[in-house]
Amino acid sequence: EVQLVQSGAEVKKPGESLKISCKGSGYSFSSYWIGWVRQMPGKGLEWMGIIYPGDSDTRYSPSFQGQVTISADRTITTAYLRWSSLKASDTAMYYCARQDAQLDAFDIWGQGTMVTVSS
Amino acid sequence: SYELTQPPSVSVSPGQTASIPCSGDKLGNKYASWYQQKPGQSPVLVIYQDAKRPSGIPERFSGSNSGNTATLTISGTLAMDEADYYCQAWDSITGVFGTGTKVTVL
Repeated sequence: EVQLVQSGAEVKKPGESLKISCKGSGYSFSSYWIGWVRQMPGKGLEWMGIIYPGDSDTRYSPSFQGQVTISADRTITTAYLRWSSLKASDTAMYYCARQDAQLDAFDIWGQGTMVTVSS
Repeated sequence: SYELTQPPSVSVSPGQTASIPCSGDKLGNKYASWYQQKPGQSPVLVIYQDAKRPSGIPERFSGSNSGNTATLTISGTLAMDEADYYCQAWDSITGVFGTGTKVTVL
């Protein structure tokens, strides 16, 4: 079964760092892009960025460039989303999703990781 | 930056047709995809490349894209189709989601 399994919910303080993960299984992890999507409470989906694990080619939405870092380790079929200094406004659900180049769309989604940033 | 605009809400009676527009500059020159999201759940792809349905998506879901507008159509709407719907397209090398539409089945 093709699936993406994300790490569990996090509660952090402003200024702390954080790295959440997304583990792919059931397919050739290196051959599909993995994207990250933010959903703030009660709001819509926001496209953050995407990485190709095969060569680590990474692209960011202008809104998120410099705010987060996307990486991947193809040896353990896992993608990551990292913050160096969290803000309260980073409180949101974060989804990873597989981009199928044949479909030009995200065909498989993770279950989401809730990140809460509060003092 | 590129923007995709959707109406905040659409209401439809059971069995009727719901049409959800997604507007963006020259959107018809790009591929549009659509996602359904129910409360507390991850999004699900329902339409890709403007009008194609992934395996397992009912035939009542269809799509089109021309000019500046892509449209998701739900024919014979069921109560289970009540959800938020988001369009998505690519702007050069990055993606963008639409503002989202809440479909209410009355």
